[in-house]
Amino acid sequence: NAGVTQTPKFRVLKTGQSMTLLCAQDMNHEYMYWYRQDPGMGLRLIHYSVGEGTTAKGEVPDGYNVSRLKKQNFLLGLESAAPSQTSVYFCASSLPGANVLTFGAGSRLTVL
Amino acid sequence: GNSVTQMEGPVTLSEEAFLTINCTYTATGYPSLFWYVQYPGEGLQLLLKATKADDKGSNKGFEATYRKETTSFHLEKGSVQVSDSAVYFCALIPRGFQKLVFGTGTRLLVSP
Repeated sequence: NAGVTQTPKFRVLKTGQSMTLLCAQDMNHEYMYWYRQDPGMGLRLIHYSVGEGTTAKGEVPDGYNVSRLKKQNFLLGLESAAPSQTSVYFCASSLPGANVLTFGAGSRLTVL
Repeated sequence: GNSVTQMEGPVTLSEEAFLTINCTYTATGYPSLFWYVQYPGEGLQLLLKATKADDKGSNKGFEATYRKETTSFHLEKGSVQVSDSAVYFCALIPRGFQKLVFGTGTRLLVSP
C-alpha cells in the first residue's frame, strides 16, 4: 500500500511565485491535514479537512489555501510565496476521530 | 488551552543505556495521548498511545504510562539501540476534538 504520497518532494521558489503541493491517500480516510515543521517549533497545523468538499483553518493558515475536491486528495496552495514559508510540509490522513494519523514523507520547500 | 511540553534535546546516549523523554500536557477534559517517532528523512509514525488514565502504551521496547495526577506521559526504554536515533514527538487529542496537538519534539542520538 502506498499510504500517503506527497508531491513534489523538493521545490525551490522565488518570492512571489505560486505553487501547489499535492497529497494523495489510498486508505479511504475521511480526515486529511497539512502541517509544517520548523526547527524548535515542532509540527504546526496549517489547514485540515474532515471530508470531501470541506476545509478548516488550523494554527497557522495565513498565506495558504487548500482544497479537497476528491476524498483521496488534499491540495495545499501558496499564492505568493514568502521566505517565511520555507519549511518542510507534511500531509497526514486519518479515520474519523483523528486518533491515529498516517503521515507522508514530507515536501521540503525553499523560498528565496 | 491544549498544549504539550517536552524536554529539550538532543538527548545523547550510548547504546544499551536507559532512556527517558519527559512529556507533560495541559488539556480540557481527558485527552488521548500519543508518541510519534520521525526517523531521518521520513514522516512521523505512531509509536504508541494511551486513551485513559493508568493505561500503558508499548511498542518496540518503548513504554509510556498515562498519569492523570501528574498530567504526564513520559517515554521510556530499557536499552536503546543506534537504530532508535530519531526525533520523538509527544501529542494529545482532547475528547471531542478533531486535531492532534504536538509537542516540539526531542531528538535522540544513540552512539555505539
